[in-house]
Amino acid sequence: GAVVSQHPSRVICKSGTSVKIECRSLDFQATTMFWYRQFPKQSLMLMATSNEGSKATYEQGVEKDKFLINHASLTLSTLTVTSAHPEDSSFYICSARDAGGYNEQFFGPGTRLTVL
Amino acid sequence: AQSVAQPEDQVNVAEGNPLTVKCTYSVSGNPYLFWYVQYPNRGLQFLLKYITGDNLVKGSYGFEAEFNKSQTSFHLKKPSALVSDSALYFCAVRGSNDYKLSFGAGTTVTVRA
Repeated sequence: GAVVSQHPSRVICKSGTSVKIECRSLDFQATTMFWYRQFPKQSLMLMATSNEGSKATYEQGVEKDKFLINHASLTLSTLTVTSAHPEDSSFYICSARDAGGYNEQFFGPGTRLTVL
Repeated sequence: AQSVAQPEDQVNVAEGNPLTVKCTYSVSGNPYLFWYVQYPNRGLQFLLKYITGDNLVKGSYGFEAEFNKSQTSFHLKKPSALVSDSALYFCAVRGSNDYKLSFGAGTTVTVRA
């Protein structure tokens, strides 16, 4: 099956620094990737839709200058949390849409961000 | 707008007993329905999906789900639960013309030995 990887799996940073999270589709091309945020024991909240070669589409209430998304190739999207603060600590999950078949989404293993 | 309801925050069953996790949905047009499982500090693992065809869908690890159009439901079932099935389960839906998935709030399943 289709595999999506995320790197890093876990990151701890100081308040005020920026953190980049990578999402890669390993065995298929993904014109669209999605970034989600999940708080403990809660559901996934869609943050933004990342389209290859164009600007990301952000959901209401998500600061685009805070969460920078770049989808430079058909297999890689990055999420950069800029000037991170403790309230940005969360579990970030990406998914990639396989344009073939039924446009299914395949999920990465997630990245645990802790901001001190 | 599309949405998913998982009415139970928690489901507790004894090992060997049947397991059911409920899900109802709302979507325009034909629904694409999914079940995912999540273990602590892990991403979502795909269990099964309904796109079209038979209303009873069989998936991974012995799970199955039944699509009921009249009741707009897609309940997840397993005839005999295992302790290792203890996890967080999410139901998700999208319309046939939409790429975005809407997730339910999740149901925590605990299977006791």
